[in-house]
Amino acid sequence: EPEVTQTPSHQVTQMGQEVILRCVPISNHLYFYWYRQILGQKVEFLVSFYNNEISEKSEIFDDQFSVERPDGSNFTLKIRSTKLEDSAMYFCASTTGVSNQPQHFGDGTRLSIL
Amino acid sequence: GQQVMQIPQYQHVQEGEDFTTYCNSSTTLSNIQWYKQRPGGHPVFLIQLVKSGEVKKQKRLTFQFGEAKKNSSLHITATQTTDVGTYFCAGSGGYQKVTFGTGTKLQVIP
Repeated sequence: EPEVTQTPSHQVTQMGQEVILRCVPISNHLYFYWYRQILGQKVEFLVSFYNNEISEKSEIFDDQFSVERPDGSNFTLKIRSTKLEDSAMYFCASTTGVSNQPQHFGDGTRLSIL
Repeated sequence: GQQVMQIPQYQHVQEGEDFTTYCNSSTTLSNIQWYKQRPGGHPVFLIQLVKSGEVKKQKRLTFQFGEAKKNSSLHITATQTTDVGTYFCAGSGGYQKVTFGTGTKLQVIP
């Protein structure tokens, strides 16, 4: 079964540095998402992306965050100047967009800010 | 904004006992989804309910969507150690963002 893949599985970065998290959504999916989960807490929506533009974003997704689909397969999340509170698991998800089709999640990237 | 709460936050049960988690949304939902997250893992889709009052079963798991489409429940009969994890309900779906509930962490004691 096709899967959403994320790299790296674990990223350790110094505070203030830029970080790029990468995702390869399922090939025939059209809608892409980033979520984050701070340790022990619920999964929080960050941003959704469709047709090469952001369709919705949460209040968490401030100017430090950006997303890009640089080619036909990758979907990236960039955090420009990381803060300690950015430490979390970041999940990418994708879906076809057809009604009642679920979102498929990747295994996540654990981001640790030092 | 929309809030989705779950109770209880934690539940410890003896293996073989039943387990139920309840989900309540601050707004009416078009559909509700349930996910299971194993420790260290990612959310895995279990099921989606769309119709008011809908009940669906997956082996020992029974999912229910409230008549007003603002609440839902997941019931596990005769829990097993493989049921350990955190169960999240989530509002919306399809191409729309998923608003996750606060989750119920289930621990099964052998």
